[in-house]
Amino acid sequence: DIQMTQSPPSLSAFIGDRVTISCRASQTINSYLNWYQQKPGNAPKILIYGVSSLESGVPSRFSGSGSGTDFTLTISSLQPEDFAIYFCQQTYNFPWTFGQGTKVEIK
Amino acid sequence: QVQLLQSGAEVKKPGASVRVSCKASGYTFTRFAIHWVRHAPGQGLEWMGWIDGGYDNTRYSQNFQGRVTLTKDTSASTAYMELRSLTSGDTAVYYCATTGGRYYFGNWGQGTLVTVSS
Repeated sequence: DIQMTQSPPSLSAFIGDRVTISCRASQTINSYLNWYQQKPGNAPKILIYGVSSLESGVPSRFSGSGSGTDFTLTISSLQPEDFAIYFCQQTYNFPWTFGQGTKVEIK
Repeated sequence: QVQLLQSGAEVKKPGASVRVSCKASGYTFTRFAIHWVRHAPGQGLEWMGWIDGGYDNTRYSQNFQGRVTLTKDTSASTAYMELRSLTSGDTAVYYCATTGGRYYFGNWGQGTLVTVSS
C-alpha cells in the first residue's frame, strides 16, 4: 500500500496568514493527488484534485502544487471558515489511501 | 444534483454485524461505482472498497478482506456495506462516496456512525 504522510499534524495560525500543508507519498503517484477539507460533523469536501486543479466553487485562496512524491496545499490568506482538518489522498493505486490529516486551528 | 443518503446510526455489540445503506439520486446509478470510507475517532480516513454501479465488480481493501461485503440493489439505486465480527476498533463514521468517473470523491453521503460497545 502507498503510505501518505502529512505534516504538520496540526498548526495554529492567525486570520490572514499564509498556511502550507505538506503531503509525502511512499512512492511516486504521478498527479493522482487530491486534497479534502473536513469540518466537525460533516463529510470531507473536495478542494483540489489532480495536484493543482481547483474544484468548482472552491475559493481561489486554496492552491495545490507538487509532483512525484511531494505535494503541498497552500491557503494564501486564512479565513475564519478555513479552520478544519485537511487530508491528502492518492488515487494512483488501490487501496486508495489518505494522509492522517492536518488540523488547522485559530491562534 | 448528486445526493447520497445513508441509513441512520447503529449501536452493535462486539461480534455482531452491521449493514449500512447508501441511496443515490441525481444521476444514473449504473454509471458509477460507490466507494466506502470510514473515519475512526482520532484516526485518518480509511478506504474500504468499491462496488461497480453497472456490473457485478467489487474490490476490497486487504484490511477488511473477509469481513466486509459490498452489495447493491440497482432497482433501488442503493448500495450496501456489511461489516462482520465487529470489535471496538470498528467504531467509526462510515461514508459512501462516488467519483463520478473521476479520480477523486466529488460526492459523499452524510455519514453513518457505527458504535461497537458491550
